[in-house]
Order: sequence, then structure tokens, then C-alpha cells
Amino acid sequence: EVQLVESGGAVVQPGGSLRLNCAASGFTFESYAMNWVRQARGKGLEWVALITWNGGKTDYADSVRGRFTVSRDNSQDFVYLQMNSLRHEDSALYYCVQGSLLKWGQGTQVTVSS
Amino acid sequence: QSVLSQPPSESGTPGQWVSISCSGSTSNIGSNNVNWYQQLPGTAPKLLVYGHNQRPSGVPDRFSASKSGTSASLAISGLLSEDEADYYCAAWDGSLNGWLFGGGTKLTVL
Repeated sequence: EVQLVESGGAVVQPGGSLRLNCAASGFTFESYAMNWVRQARGKGLEWVALITWNGGKTDYADSVRGRFTVSRDNSQDFVYLQMNSLRHEDSALYYCVQGSLLKWGQGTQVTVSS
Repeated sequence: QSVLSQPPSESGTPGQWVSISCSGSTSNIGSNNVNWYQQLPGTAPKLLVYGHNQRPSGVPDRFSASKSGTSASLAISGLLSEDEADYYCAAWDGSLNGWLFGGGTKLTVL
């Protein structure tokens, strides 16, 4: 069974940094691209970032490009989201999502507040 | 980043058939598959339909999807009270090199 377990969410001040982690299991991790998708409270879904199967290519939403960095460790089956220069509008539940958005984790909450 | 267009709300009575639309462009819906999700309050999105009207194991065949040109739709037949939820469409956009989501449709079962 595919499992995606996010961690690392916290309350952080504006301008601060945070790293989210996603532990993957139940599938051949190195064969899949991975994504981060977020959802602000009471709002819709927003795709944040993608990393290809080998980490060779990454893509980002305009709203986070230059501030967030997605990476992965295929030896440990982890994907990460390094978030810098955080803003109030980055507050959301962040989901780790497999491949073509077919399998989702339960999310980790990020709150940017002073 | 632009979004796919969905009606903010739809409603129906138990047993009824309802449809939720999702409008995009040639770079997303027009050239790629559409995924549909159901989200109940406080839970992660649940995949309902993907690819060419494929349903994951456990999703009833009351849920079906179609696509024509740059628009897609999710149909729900035999509406049940438990279908009351938020529904989202999603598609890859080849111009933006990213995934786009619809703004979500809140389905109310009257």
C-alpha cells in the first residue's frame, strides 16, 4: 500500500525558513516524480513544486519560485521542500503527492505568523 | 498561476444526477488527462477519476468523467447524502510546466 507521510510543519515567523519532509513507502519511489501541493484554510488546492524521478528537473509555481526548493533522496525514499523567505500567504496544509497526483499524504501544517 | 474554472457550487436531491464542469485551455485539458477529487471537511483529497475515466479501487461507478475539447465534467448519478463535499479537477499544463487545479465546487445534497 502506498504511504506518504509528511512532517516538519510548524509555526514560523515571516521571513523564516522551514524544511518539510515526506517519507514514501509501498511503491518503487525512484520510478516516480513527486509533487508538493498546498491548501490554505478554507481555500482550494494549489500545486507548489515537482521533482522528476531522478531529481534532474524541478518545476515550481510562480508564487514560490526562487524561495522554495524541492529535492529528493532515492536511497532513503524521501522528498523534501525547503521553504525560505516565508510569507503569511504561505500558511497552508502542505501535501506530498505521488507522480500524476494519484496518491496523497495527509499533509503537514505550516503557519507563518509573528 | 491561473486555475481551471469550476462553478463554486452545485446542488441536487438524493437520487438525482448532477454534473460538475471544469473549463481550461488547449495547454491543459485540451492535451492532457483530467483528474477529479472529492474532499470531505478535514480530510485529504480523495482521487475519484483519472486517465480515461478510470476509477481507483473502491470508488463506485456512480462517479464518471468525460472530456470534450478544453472542457471536462464529472457526473454523479444516484446522488447520496454522503456525496456532499468539495470537488476539484486537475490537469497538467504543458505551457506552464505545472499542475493546475480548479477552484473547487461545493456540492450540496438537499
